[in-house]
Amino acid sequence: QKEVEQNSGPLSVPEGAIASLNCTYSDRGSQSFFWYRQYSGKSPELIMFIYSNGDKEDGRFTAQLNKASQYVSLLIRDSQPSDSATYLCAVLSTGGGNKLTFGTGTQLKVEL
Amino acid sequence: SAVISQKPSRDICQRGTSLTIQCQVDSQVTMMFWYRQQPGQSLTLIATANQGSEATYESGFVIDKFPISRPNLTFSTLTVSNMSPEDSSIYLCSVESSNTEAFFGQGTRLTVV
Repeated sequence: QKEVEQNSGPLSVPEGAIASLNCTYSDRGSQSFFWYRQYSGKSPELIMFIYSNGDKEDGRFTAQLNKASQYVSLLIRDSQPSDSATYLCAVLSTGGGNKLTFGTGTQLKVEL
Repeated sequence: SAVISQKPSRDICQRGTSLTIQCQVDSQVTMMFWYRQQPGQSLTLIATANQGSEATYESGFVIDKFPISRPNLTFSTLTVSNMSPEDSSIYLCSVESSNTEAFFGQGTRLTVV
């Protein structure tokens, strides 16, 4: 069983729509969750992190966490073509050391 | 956030040779991490580099294949030894901030022919 699961996509949304990206994780004790954006040929860049159940908003981005369901999501409002990228979900493991486990990523395409 | 400089940015190497990748951080950090991202795949942690002690390797990665140095709190190297085409990948150095999120260097795109 994969530790962090994401739908690989591609997820296609029209410009201006809301893009919803989902992630599930297997380690029930995980406490920290991160969303990274990776453009083709580039390294991942952090978008948001969330630690507590509920929603966390930052500009057009909202992260949602439900620890009971072991589910974290990222909403992108007013999607722009520049948002087209692969979005990686990462979970901080509760094992020895601070190690991030990454999902395989969801490719998002925002179409004009 | 830390500024991480990684080099080389890309290289094409002959099989059987070795490549050393350098990672320089603009501030002192306790732990540095080395990841591999194979084509179309997500990031896989190779090892954690701690200053003053041997690196800690993840399952499936061994020191003979991926020797790591960590001479001080701002610098680390990863060597990919005795390369084969299966080692063609992007190698990423990262450090963590006080909030435990990871920041990445630009990556090294390695092609082994």
